[in-house]
Amino acid sequence: AQKITQTQPGMFVQEKEAVTLDCTYDTSDQSYGLFWYKQPSSGEMIFLIYQGSYDEQNATEGRYSLNFQKARKSANLVISASQLGDSAMYFCAMREAGSARQLTFGSGTQLTVLP
Amino acid sequence: EADIYQTPRYLVIGTGKKITLECSQTMGHDKMYWYQQDPGMELHLIHYSYGVNSTEKGDLSSESTVSRIRTEHFPLTLESARPSHTSQYLCASGRGGMSGEQYFGPGTRLTVT
Repeated sequence: AQKITQTQPGMFVQEKEAVTLDCTYDTSDQSYGLFWYKQPSSGEMIFLIYQGSYDEQNATEGRYSLNFQKARKSANLVISASQLGDSAMYFCAMREAGSARQLTFGSGTQLTVLP
Repeated sequence: EADIYQTPRYLVIGTGKKITLECSQTMGHDKMYWYQQDPGMELHLIHYSYGVNSTEKGDLSSESTVSRIRTEHFPLTLESARPSHTSQYLCASGRGGMSGEQYFGPGTRLTVT
């Protein structure tokens, strides 16, 4: 079974609007961490935001927030006030306590911000 | 600003050649990783290291090998390149711990003809 599922291969959003990128995960560990990374066309991976499984508050970093619903095993990324520079591939990733602390990545969502 | 470097950024090479992809980081991280990524696809872990003289294979089987003789250096070697090795290779490092993010290098885009 896929550990990280991103069901939206591509998304479009109008500049200045908010967009939600979906991520669901599968783990039997009680302790785990969830990450979002951005990959522009240049290829590098840029860390955006982290949510720990025991964190009670949803994580926020500037225009990025993580909508964490533990019972549903979802960790959606919300980008507010989209900018043209937000156009990129976005990857959700998970680290499980029982898997040697490696990151497992989803298949990604290609976000395009329209002017 | 993450200080992790990969060279070369782009490499086109013929079948059968031996290649080494370089990765160095100046953050003193113990943990380093190599990922393979086909265009527009997810990243797959192929090697990782938790410190000097420690290397392990990742989830995706790879014909490449790695070494970790110095903390800051984690090169990846392909003894005999094949067209099936054409991909992007991303190196990362991190301080570990559940919340520790991985910092990625710019990647090497390898094409084997």
